[in-house]
This record gives sequence, structure tokens and C-alpha cells, in this order.
Amino acid sequence: DTEVTQTPKHLVMGMTNKKSLKCEQHMGHRAMYWYKQKAKKPPELMFVYSYEKLSINESVPSRFSPECPNSSLLNLHLHALQPEDSALYLCASSQDATAGGYTFGSGTRLTVV
Amino acid sequence: GESVGLHLPTLSVQEGDNSIINCAYSNSASDYFIWYKQESGKGPQFIIDIRSNMDKRQGQRVTVLLNKTVKHLSLQIAATQPGDSAVYFCAETVSDTGRRALTFGSGTRLQVQP
Repeated sequence: DTEVTQTPKHLVMGMTNKKSLKCEQHMGHRAMYWYKQKAKKPPELMFVYSYEKLSINESVPSRFSPECPNSSLLNLHLHALQPEDSALYLCASSQDATAGGYTFGSGTRLTVV
Repeated sequence: GESVGLHLPTLSVQEGDNSIINCAYSNSASDYFIWYKQESGKGPQFIIDIRSNMDKRQGQRVTVLLNKTVKHLSLQIAATQPGDSAVYFCAETVSDTGRRALTFGSGTRLQVQP
């Protein structure tokens, strides 16, 4: 299995809702990432998990809460989002010992209404 | 928020021609680089990578060139096909730190005319 799987593919949520994005990989990668991508812009790093521990938080607002239950799963919990948070949320994973093997999922298209 | 009327740089080529997409990076400590292709509604797809101890690497129909002196990366696509139409991003990282996260360039849209 050489894929990163993200669910759901599309999500519409209200500003008072709580929802979660899920990401799964079975490549044995020990680093996992969340990126946010607005239209016509490059992906921007949000969080990095290394060996299931949060290693980087790029000053992301607390309404985004990441979780790494095990080495194969990565979640992003969403609460009280704003319309400007609407974007494509991408999950990626990579090997740990080298900087290789970065693989991206297809993303979740999030719309906040 | 986004700027009104913001457009990605666009390269338009004829089918069968060679394409060259350029990227300038800013971190002189970056030692690992990747080119990604992103089609509409999809995640970035790995094309080719290169480490800083090389200046050229070839794949199938693609070649990446790295010039560390001027911090410049290019992607050459031979015999460009309509299926190559997409947005192309370069990405960089410093592999021997705890960061292990990619920083993306601004992207170039490739349009292939049949």
C-alpha cells in the first residue's frame, strides 16, 4: 500500500459545528503532516507529528486540534471554524530516517458556512 | 485572504514540445528538493526528487536540474502531453533537522495545447 487516504473528500460545516478530518497510511512512515491549501496557492504547513508526537505547530489557531492515535492514523479536529478556514486540507506522510518518501493524500475540501 | 485577480504564473506549450518550469528557493540550507504535479481537485503527486549532492537527475520524460549557487531548480518535461497539464510545485526541506517538513514554492500552471 503506497497511498495516503483521507476522509471525507468533501465537508460542509457550520461555524458552530464540530467535525473531524481523518488520514491513514500503511507505509510504515513515522512522520505525518497536515497542510492547508487555499485556491491558487501552495500548500502551507500546519502540523507535524513524528513518532506520534507533535513536533511542529505552525502557530495554528486552537480551533484546529490535531491528534495522532497511532503511527498509521492522523486526525484533525475542527471546532468553531470561520468561513476563511474554507480550503483543501492535505495530509502527508514521510519516512523518518531520511527526508524521502513524502506522499500526499487527495485532501478534504472543507467549506465553512 | 486571497488577492482579487491573483493568478498563478502560466506556461503554455504545444503538445510534443519540451517544457521547462523554474523555481527559485530561498533557504541555502535546503538539501532535498521535490517536484510535485497537482491536478484540479487532487493532492500533490510526486514527480521527481533530487538531493543537494547532485545537480541533475533524470526520470521518465522528466529531468530536474539543481543550481545551488543561485538557489535555482528547474523541471524539464520532454515531449509534453495534454495529460501533463496541471499546476507544478517545487518543494524544499532541510533533511538533517527535526523539522522534516516541506516548504512549497508558489507554483506554475502548465497548459498543453493539443
